[in-house]
Amino acid sequence: RKEVEQDPGPFNVPEGATVAFNCTYSNSASQSFFWYRQDCRKEPKLLMSVYSSGNEDGRFTAQLNRASQYISLLIRDSKLSDSATYLCAVSLYSSASKIIFGSGTRLSIRP
Amino acid sequence: NAGVTQTPKFQVLKTGQSMTLQCAQDMNHNSMYWYRQDPGMGLRLIYYSASEGTTDKGEVPNGYNVSRLNKREFSLRLESAAPSQTSVYFCASSEGGTVYGYTFGSGTRLTVV
Repeated sequence: RKEVEQDPGPFNVPEGATVAFNCTYSNSASQSFFWYRQDCRKEPKLLMSVYSSGNEDGRFTAQLNRASQYISLLIRDSKLSDSATYLCAVSLYSSASKIIFGSGTRLSIRP
Repeated sequence: NAGVTQTPKFQVLKTGQSMTLQCAQDMNHNSMYWYRQDPGMGLRLIYYSASEGTTDKGEVPNGYNVSRLNKREFSLRLESAAPSQTSVYFCASSEGGTVYGYTFGSGTRLTVV
């Protein structure tokens, strides 16, 4: 079983729609959680960290469910510019800062 | 605002050749990392350096060596390139600990023929 698993998609949704995707992690001792965005042939960029109480940044909302070991990302009022691959990332706080990445979920927003 | 700089951006090697991928960061970060990204496999950690003077193996270290030359620079060396090392290589740095996530370089696209 992969340590961090994501649905690869693609998710193809119309502009203005709300879309959500989940990511599951296998190690219950994981302490830090992130969502990264990666555009085609570019480097990943940090979208947001995910906090235990959940957090929001504009149209983006991230949630953490420790009991079920998953994190989620919700995008409201999606824009064409949201088309990208979204990488879930997880770390064991005590493990010298190593982050484990999921394979990513592709999102395509259509006009 | 350079952030993390990787060189070269593209490289083609013949099987058995060696090369060094360079990475430098100007954010005074303690920790630096090398990942490779392959289709369907996501990003996999090759080596990391938690601080200047230390390096440790990640998930896929075989065929690679690293040097943390100073706080700014962390290089990745392929001693004898193999076609299985065809990949996109990303260097990243972080403040230390994981709370702030990583800053990535723009990547090196390596093809081994």
